[in-house]
Amino acid sequence: AQKVTQAQTEISVVEKEDVTLDCVYETRDTTYYLFWYKQPPSGELVFLIRRNSFDEQNEISGRYSWNFQKSTSSFNFTITASQVVDSAVYFCALSEAQEGSGAGSYQLTFGKGTKLSVIP
Amino acid sequence: DAGVIQSPRHEVTEMGQEVTLRCKPISGHDYLFWYRQTMMRGLELLIYFNNNVPIDDSGMPEDRFSAKMPNASFSTLKIQPSEPRDSAVYFCASSLGGGPGYIDEQYFGPGTRLTVT
Repeated sequence: AQKVTQAQTEISVVEKEDVTLDCVYETRDTTYYLFWYKQPPSGELVFLIRRNSFDEQNEISGRYSWNFQKSTSSFNFTITASQVVDSAVYFCALSEAQEGSGAGSYQLTFGKGTKLSVIP
Repeated sequence: DAGVIQSPRHEVTEMGQEVTLRCKPISGHDYLFWYRQTMMRGLELLIYFNNNVPIDDSGMPEDRFSAKMPNASFSTLKIQPSEPRDSAVYFCASSLGGGPGYIDEQYFGPGTRLTVT
């Protein structure tokens, strides 16, 4: 069974500080996808990134970066020079893909989320 | 392009009443998902469809819940009769899907906040 753990329930940082949100996952599949979503106070879920299990290259998008390490089953998310607009709940999610089956499971298993508060 | 559309955005109803939540997925997306979000249980997948066919409804909490997708552009989630413990935010999401060993990201609607009194 797949599982996602976000051990940090809440984090508070002062604006312009860097912050890393941790995500640890469990899966028996060799092919899987990891995702991060942002849920701002307005409530919608915003897709941030998708990464497959065969691509361990780190990704950077503006102030956001992701560190994927299969050896530790982690997919951590760092925000550099945080801003008040980054305040939100961030979810890490996992989906297992079954090669050769014609379709993946397509079920997203979400972590409990980390609430990030950026203080001006 | 329009994203996933959900209606209503807020619903307040009394216990025992029937509730119908609606979703219009992104055009061209073959997969549609219904999730429920509560403080206690987080985000849970209820059911998902592929090409209008229900694939996995193992997350549907009980027989009071039912979901349909009569065509590629519309889905409903119905609760009958509703109970206070059904109070939650219900999200609809859609995805292109993918293929063998490949999964696309899901795009979520704004959610419906359901309160059952």
